[in-house]
Amino acid sequence: QKEVEQNSGPLSVPEGAIASLNCTYSDRVSQSFFWYRQYSGKSPELIMSIYSNGDKEDGRFTAQLNKASQYVSLLIRDSQPSDSATYLCAVKRGESFQKLVFGTGTRLLVSP
Amino acid sequence: DAGVIQSPRHEVTEMGQEVTLRCKPISGHDYLFWYRQTMMRGLELLIYFNNNVPIDDSGMPEDRFSAKMPNASFSTLKIQPSEPRDSAVYFCASSYLGGDSYEQYFGPGTRLTVT
Repeated sequence: QKEVEQNSGPLSVPEGAIASLNCTYSDRVSQSFFWYRQYSGKSPELIMSIYSNGDKEDGRFTAQLNKASQYVSLLIRDSQPSDSATYLCAVKRGESFQKLVFGTGTRLLVSP
Repeated sequence: DAGVIQSPRHEVTEMGQEVTLRCKPISGHDYLFWYRQTMMRGLELLIYFNNNVPIDDSGMPEDRFSAKMPNASFSTLKIQPSEPRDSAVYFCASSYLGGDSYEQYFGPGTRLTVT
């Protein structure tokens, strides 16, 4: 079992729809969770972080965390073609303060 | 302030040659990370440093790989000898301890092709 699992996609949604990206993790001591966006040929950039159970909203983005189910998700409202990218879920282990473990990413395609 | 700087951006070399990748972290950051990204394995952490000291090198694939950080503003990742399976994009990232949020800032990457 991979430590951080994501569906590779592609996830295709029409412009204006809600895109839902999911991630599961295996290490129960994980404390911090991150979503990075990576455009083709570019480097990852952080778009959301979440540390406690529940929802965290930032503009069109909402991160959701359920530690009991070991599940974290990212919702993108009013999806735009410019949101088309690969979204990487990353988990920070409790015992190693700065180390992140990344999933392989979900490719999102938003069609006009 | 400039972001993380990596050089070269592209490297093409023949199997058996030595390859050296370079990274300059963001000034004031005390953590530096080296990652490798491939389609098959995704983004993998190779090694990370704190205050120039290697903390975790468990991701370094084998003895052909080595990394150094001689000072706070420079790090190298060396592959000797290189093999075709080392072809990947290598990212350097930096971060600092403190603040309200934790973020690793990634450099633009070095695309390595070993023929």
